Amino acid sequence: QKEVEQNSGPLSVPEGAIASLNCTYSDRGSQSFFWYRQYSGKSPELIMSIYSNGDKEDGRFTAQLNKASQYVSLLIRDSQPSDSATYLCAPYEGAGTALIFGKGTTLSVSS
Amino acid sequence: GAVVSQHPSRVICKSGTSVKIECRSLDFQATTMFWYRQFPKQSLMLMATSNEGSKATYEQGVEKDKFLINHASLTLSTLTVTSAHPEDSSFYICSANLDRGTGELFFGEGSRLTVL
Repeated sequence: QKEVEQNSGPLSVPEGAIASLNCTYSDRGSQSFFWYRQYSGKSPELIMSIYSNGDKEDGRFTAQLNKASQYVSLLIRDSQPSDSATYLCAPYEGAGTALIFGKGTTLSVSS
Repeated sequence: GAVVSQHPSRVICKSGTSVKIECRSLDFQATTMFWYRQFPKQSLMLMATSNEGSKATYEQGVEKDKFLINHASLTLSTLTVTSAHPEDSSFYICSANLDRGTGELFFGEGSRLTVL
């Protein structure tokens, strides 16, 4: 059974702080990883994707991947109240396969 | 980017009736579409993989006779919830990825089903 583990939170940070979201996965065959953001009552939207070990930065977001540790994280710098949402981690195993999502971490950014 | 459209966004029906949800890829062809279900405060659970021109592949515990999936064209997949009951009330979301893409899923807007 492939598993994706995330701390469900809620993770509360003040506006302007760094939010750190973590995810571990069980399948060593996972090729790449996606972070999605989901607002309440809405469908998920892609935030970041990462394919190689190390860091990948996109604006205020940085994804970090360590395949040996089966660990992927998402850092959100200068957190804004609009970042308050549930963040879903999903490893990808190859063509034709679905994404299996973790339970998600709920982030709350207070102004 | 690739756009997936889902309809209806909300539906309320009586127990015992059937409901059809449509999922369309608007600007690309999707050989494969995926149907997820999400209960309140829970994550997305994969229900089935819909393959154009062939039978869908259902996840363990999902009743294929209750959740009928048809993927008759490269741009349309439908999910029919047959003989719906209150416990089927949920948020149903379809998605698709590009055949030669990176695996990124493009999601429809979701359909919130309420069974009275």
